[in-house]
Amino acid sequence: DTEVTQTPKHLVMGMTNKKSLKCEQHMGHRAMYWYKQKAKKPPELMFVYSYEKLSINESVPSRFSPECPNSSLLNLHLHALQPEDSALYLCASSHPRVAGTSTDTQYFGPGTRLTVL
Amino acid sequence: AQRVTQPEKLLSVFKGAPVELKCNYSYSGSPELFWYVQYSRQRLQLLLRHISRESIKGFTADLNKGETSFHLKKPFAQEEDSAMYYCALSVGYSTLTFGKGTMLLVSP
Repeated sequence: DTEVTQTPKHLVMGMTNKKSLKCEQHMGHRAMYWYKQKAKKPPELMFVYSYEKLSINESVPSRFSPECPNSSLLNLHLHALQPEDSALYLCASSHPRVAGTSTDTQYFGPGTRLTVL
Repeated sequence: AQRVTQPEKLLSVFKGAPVELKCNYSYSGSPELFWYVQYSRQRLQLLLRHISRESIKGFTADLNKGETSFHLKKPFAQEEDSAMYYCALSVGYSTLTFGKGTMLLVSP
């Protein structure tokens, strides 16, 4: 299996709702990423997990809460979002970089299209 | 901080014409450069990376450290090349810094 899968494909939520985005990969990758992509803009890194531990948080508001329950799964819990949080949320995975080696290719999922009303 | 600049938002060419998508970066060390492509309704995927020095779908890119550039080239564009192309830079850890992207439109 060489794909990253994401569910749901689309999500509409109110500002008071709690929802979760899910990402799964079975490529043996131990680095997983969340990106946010607004329309006609490049992906912006949100979080990086390496060996199931949060290694990078790009100053993301606390209404976004990531979780990596095991090496194949990555969740993004959403609570009290704002309309400006509406975007395509991308998950990606790769082998973690090892000192002295090159950066591994990141494999992206198809994304979850989130709309916050 | 590192930065990637893609000066063209849109590049429109005719089928069979040469294509060059420009990418410049700012970083004082030795970065790793990538080109990612996003076809309509498809996921973002790697096109090529500078350390591979290979040609993918007829595209090549050479890292020019003197000019801090990593331009993407193809001698004869095809309609199926129409897509959004992102240049990306990796420094240190595995994270990617993306440019703003160039939309390539190839007309028949």
